Order: sequence, then C-alpha cells, then structure tokens
Amino acid sequence: AQKVTQAQTEISVVEKEDVTLDCVYETRDTTYYLFWYKQPPSGELVFLIRRNSFDEQNEISGRYSWNFQKSTSSFNFTITASQVVDSAVYFCALTSHNYGQNFVFGPGTRLSVLP
Amino acid sequence: GAGVSQSPRYKVAKRGQDVALRCDPISGHVSLFWYQQALGQGPEFLTYFQNEAQLDKSGLPSDRFFAERPEGSVSTLKIQRTQQEDSAVYLCASSLNVPLGNEQFFGPGTRLTVL
Repeated sequence: AQKVTQAQTEISVVEKEDVTLDCVYETRDTTYYLFWYKQPPSGELVFLIRRNSFDEQNEISGRYSWNFQKSTSSFNFTITASQVVDSAVYFCALTSHNYGQNFVFGPGTRLSVLP
Repeated sequence: GAGVSQSPRYKVAKRGQDVALRCDPISGHVSLFWYQQALGQGPEFLTYFQNEAQLDKSGLPSDRFFAERPEGSVSTLKIQRTQQEDSAVYLCASSLNVPLGNEQFFGPGTRLTVL
C-alpha cells in the first residue's frame, strides 16, 4: 500500500521567517514521483514541485526548496522568507508505477503567515 | 490558456436526490481524474480516465457513484441517491500525457452538501 504522512497539522509563522513542511511517504515501488501542491482559500490545488525517485538532488527554485532523502523516505519543502500570500494548505502527494496514475495525498499542513 | 473548469461550483441536494457534476479538462489532455476531498483532509482518488476509457474506478466508494467521459473530453461524475456522507468537495484534474510523473492540473472543485 502507499501512504503519505504530514505530521504537522498547522503551522504559524511571522512574515519573512523560513518554514519547513514535513512529508514522509511509504511505497514498495522503486519508481515513483513526489509532488507538493498548494491549496489557497479559493480551493484550487496549485502544482509547486515534482521529484522522481531516481533524483535525490535537492534544488532551490526562487523562495522554494526541497530536501528529498530516500533513506528516511522524506520529502520536505521549505519556503524562505515567507509572505502572507503563502498562507494556504500544502499537500504532499505520491504516485508510483505499480499503483496506477492517481495521486495519493497526505492530509495537508495549514500554513498561516502572519504580517 | 483555460484551465480545468468544473460546474456547478456549489450544489445542495436533499438526501436521496441524484446529482451530476461536470468537468471540462484542459484541451488536449489525455488523462482525467476525479478526487473527493472531505473537510480538513487531503483529496482521495475516485476514478481515472485515459481518453474515453475508464481505466481505474477502484476509489469509487459505492455503486451509487458513476463516472463517464464518452468523447474523451468532458467528464461527468454522477451520484445517485445521495447520502449525507457524500458531502465533500469533488475535484477534477487532468494531465497531458499518460506516462507516470506528469503533474495534474486541478479544477476549483464542486462543493456538494447533502441535507
């Protein structure tokens, strides 16, 4: 079975602070993809980043960065210098070769960035 | 270009009524997915289409749920004899290609409330 865990239910930070959102996944497949999506109050899920299981290189894209570690099955996401507009629910998701095309989502982390 | 659209955005039904939820994917997208998102939770997979073929319906919670995509573009999710536990946001997503790992583009969802 596949599972995604996001242990942080809610996080509050003050604007300009850095914040890291945790994601732990479970899969028996060797080929899989991990995603982060953002769901603002409007409700529409917005794609942020994607990583495949064969590429553990961590990258930075603007204010976003991610830390993918297969050894601990973690795919953490960091927002640097947070802004009020970053306030949303963030979902980590997993898809793998032997479980079809659908995504398995975590329960989400609600991020509140206070001015 | 136009994103994924869904209609209606909100639907209130009396228990026992039938409802039909519509999804217009991004033009040219081969894959189409339906997810159910209960309040405060992550989306959960319902069903997947590749063009007009329904390849996976393992997530449909009961035989009261039925989805179709007859011409490989617009899709309809139908729920018969609605129950209170069907109250949720129903999300539609599409992706361009079949291969694993493509990001899914989500619509704004239909919020269904069953009284």
